[in-house]
Amino acid sequence: GENVEQHPSTLSVQEGDSAVIKCTYSDSASNYFPWYKQELGKRPQLIIDIRSNVGEKKDQRIAVTLNKTAKHFSLHITETQPEDSAVYFCAASITGGGADGLTFGKGTHLIIQP
Amino acid sequence: NAGVMQNPRHLVRRRGQEARLRCSPVKGHSHVYWYRQLPEEGLKFMVYLQKENIIDESGMPKERFSAEFPKEGPSILRIQQVVRGDSAAYFCASSQQGASTEAFFGQGTRLTVV
Repeated sequence: GENVEQHPSTLSVQEGDSAVIKCTYSDSASNYFPWYKQELGKRPQLIIDIRSNVGEKKDQRIAVTLNKTAKHFSLHITETQPEDSAVYFCAASITGGGADGLTFGKGTHLIIQP
Repeated sequence: NAGVMQNPRHLVRRRGQEARLRCSPVKGHSHVYWYRQLPEEGLKFMVYLQKENIIDESGMPKERFSAEFPKEGPSILRIQQVVRGDSAAYFCASSQQGASTEAFFGQGTRLTVV
């Protein structure tokens, strides 16, 4: 089955700086890569996703890049703000979307230092 | 997304009791997924259901755990004879179709076994 590795487990950055979270996956058949943000005690919420037919996608301060050859994808957050502090999960899916078949990474705890 | 409703939010059970977790998907969604999240861990897929059918239960323990999504009413995740290791947050997600559509998560049920 699919295996998703996520690094780092904890990331502390100064407010205003950029944060990068990286994930690798094992199954080359995976074709859907969402990122979820989970604040303490709350539900995971989708913040951005990318499909295997594109290499990069951007939404305001958030961007995701995908390298199919190397089987890795990354989340980039620019101009970080205190409200960006949360746990971020990457995931990979073979079926192309939805939650079926989603394999999650273990999460990155992002801390924004004022 | 406030559409996926899970109850109860918190559930305390003694070892050996039964736990019943409920999930009402977003109106119009016919696909439901259950995930388990242990402290400091990512989300582990348990089971994927459509109305009256279990599509994929590969992530669910073979014993003590069962899930259903009846024609009418919420999806139920049932854990019989709970043990301390069952203590976790259980999240339900729903999507309109199994593939290529966003999955929305509920707030989760935090099960504590004492």
